[in-house]
Amino acid sequence: DAGVIQSPRHEVTEMGQEVTLRCKPISGHNSLFWYRQTMMRGLELLIYFNNNVPIDDSGMPEDRFSAKMPNASFSTLKIQPSEPRDSAVYFCASSFREGKGYTFGSGTRLTVV
Amino acid sequence: DAKTTQPNSMESNEEEPVHLPCNHSTISGTDYIHWYRQLPSQGPEYVIHGLTSNVNNRMASLAIAEDRKSSTLILHRATLRDAAVYYCILRALKSSGDKLTFGTGTRLAVRP
Repeated sequence: DAGVIQSPRHEVTEMGQEVTLRCKPISGHNSLFWYRQTMMRGLELLIYFNNNVPIDDSGMPEDRFSAKMPNASFSTLKIQPSEPRDSAVYFCASSFREGKGYTFGSGTRLTVV
Repeated sequence: DAKTTQPNSMESNEEEPVHLPCNHSTISGTDYIHWYRQLPSQGPEYVIHGLTSNVNNRMASLAIAEDRKSSTLILHRATLRDAAVYYCILRALKSSGDKLTFGTGTRLAVRP
């Protein structure tokens, strides 16, 4: 089992550019979560999906952020346009809804300059 | 979401037991108690969870108070690799889905 796979591991982009982060959850998991971590705000849940359907997106900061899960094995988090305050580590996690724990990916470190 | 309270930081000596406390006085009957840890430069990692009874696994033990208003994560022999931020989280499974809300956690330092 390769675990939750995120790409890219690091992304440096200029303000105003579009950024797309990718996540492949563990096969068979039916819930997927996007978190953001900064020193100031800690780990924040942005959005989560259950069976590919967005359940709660109340943590998405603003309209510049969007997330999709077109199938059970892939999700994207897009920021358009990106701003320096979006700089953070973005984590994807997956789980069985009724299961034990979440498995997190290694994260994508995003720097917007 | 019910809230948890943890000390900001703790220190331990290598090869000694560590007891990490967590208070959750507003816990509801259907809330599970989960513990995660985050090692430096890594994503959070599931450690253990429980509902009412004490739990043991290869990583740690979880002791839950009888009234469930507090719990303690026990690392039986701390190693340098256990230095991490430990999060105590209440997880409510709802028909509409569930989510983990992370607090600030306890930063554990392990002295050689």
